[in-house]
Amino acid sequence: NAGVTQTPKFQVLKTGQSMTLQCAQDMNHNSMYWYRQDPGMGLRLIYYSASEGTTDKGEVPNGYNVSRLNKREFSLRLESAAPSQTSVYFCASSEDPRRWGYTFGSGTRLTVV
Amino acid sequence: DQQVKQNSPSLSVQEGRISILNCDYTNSMFDYFLWYKKYPAEGPTFLISISSIKDKNEDGRFTVFLNKSAKHLSLHIVPSQPGDSAVYFCAASTGAGGTSYGKLTFGQGTILTVHP
Repeated sequence: NAGVTQTPKFQVLKTGQSMTLQCAQDMNHNSMYWYRQDPGMGLRLIYYSASEGTTDKGEVPNGYNVSRLNKREFSLRLESAAPSQTSVYFCASSEDPRRWGYTFGSGTRLTVV
Repeated sequence: DQQVKQNSPSLSVQEGRISILNCDYTNSMFDYFLWYKKYPAEGPTFLISISSIKDKNEDGRFTVFLNKSAKHLSLHIVPSQPGDSAVYFCAASTGAGGTSYGKLTFGQGTILTVHP
């Protein structure tokens, strides 16, 4: 099925550990996004990439880095995980985000203990 | 500072009746508004959008109304079905160009429960 694929679906980290969340889309979309969802907070933008080769900070970038490896792939890295980064992470892509919205992946549930 | 707010955490309606989900915003630069639906353990899915040059947009059972003077939008679902039970998010985008294009600011979400 065409869409956005995120791996892993679940992860438990210890404080201070690092990990990379992977995201790939097969719809040839130019723009890709990373959001986190926390109870009562909605979805908040971490980083985004308007096109291959560009990345920009969103609303809550601290503690994260991203790589737009190519047009298909956009990874999110936590260098030193903290309990405050416990969240559900969603990757999304779009060609016309304002008119047709994003296509989201199914999410990664991350717990930092 | 929450620029997009959904003040009702939850809404419960009977099957066949109308569901009205509300959203308020503060940033007058927002010029595109979207609604998403989210089931548990899945990503949000796009429902419907509206440009600020319009005050209404319909797609089947879903209608979005925009009141720019009040900075308020609403999603009407008629008739409501049990399968509509989900979390609904409103989102907004500014017309900023360049690399800011397409960034969405989301509300907190409203849990809709449709009872058979």
